[in-house]
Amino acid sequence: EDQVTQSPEALRLQEGESSSLNCSYTVSGLRGLFWYRQDPGKGPEFLFTLYSAGEEKEKERLKATLTKKESFLHITAPKPEDSATYLCAVQAVRGSARQLTFGSGTQLTVLP
Amino acid sequence: DGGITQSPKYLFRKEGQNVTLSCEQNLNHDAMYWYRQDPGQGLRLIYYSQIVNDFQKGDIAEGYSVSREKKESFPLTVTSAQKNPTAFYLCASRDGLGRLGYTFGSGTRLTVV
Repeated sequence: EDQVTQSPEALRLQEGESSSLNCSYTVSGLRGLFWYRQDPGKGPEFLFTLYSAGEEKEKERLKATLTKKESFLHITAPKPEDSATYLCAVQAVRGSARQLTFGSGTQLTVLP
Repeated sequence: DGGITQSPKYLFRKEGQNVTLSCEQNLNHDAMYWYRQDPGQGLRLIYYSQIVNDFQKGDIAEGYSVSREKKESFPLTVTSAQKNPTAFYLCASRDGLGRLGYTFGSGTRLTVV
């Protein structure tokens, strides 16, 4: 059974204080690891897809990395507008269908 | 702009009532999904469909039903058999292999009154 565990559950940072969010996973036949941002009362917004160990992707203050067992979302010099819940998900093939299994998310609060 | 439209944004259900959540996409995606999100939990898969007139149960399909008569539409019915339906429901679609990620709608919050 595919499993995704995110830590910490909640993180409070001061503006400018860099940190990392962790996503550890167990999956048979990984077909991509996804990071999403979700604001309260809204649907998740796609950030990155990573496919192989060693791969890195960046977008503004965010950088995602992938190893064989976990992924990190690094946030450099965060701003209050980065406050949101960050979701990690793994895509695998079950039968003939590609499906996502999600972690429970990390709720990030950036204080001014 | 292409995207997924979910309606209504808020929905209230009385005990014993069936309700239908709408999901429409204009992205020309073949695969569509319904997820349920509860506080402090990850998204859980209810149903998915890879092509028109075909759909499969996800991890928590009991008490739900779907149809896929058109490529653009994937409505979800929450039946009276679903004993704990209060949750945030999200519809998503995927392009091809999913390299551009799954696109999500803005969600429907269902509350039992």
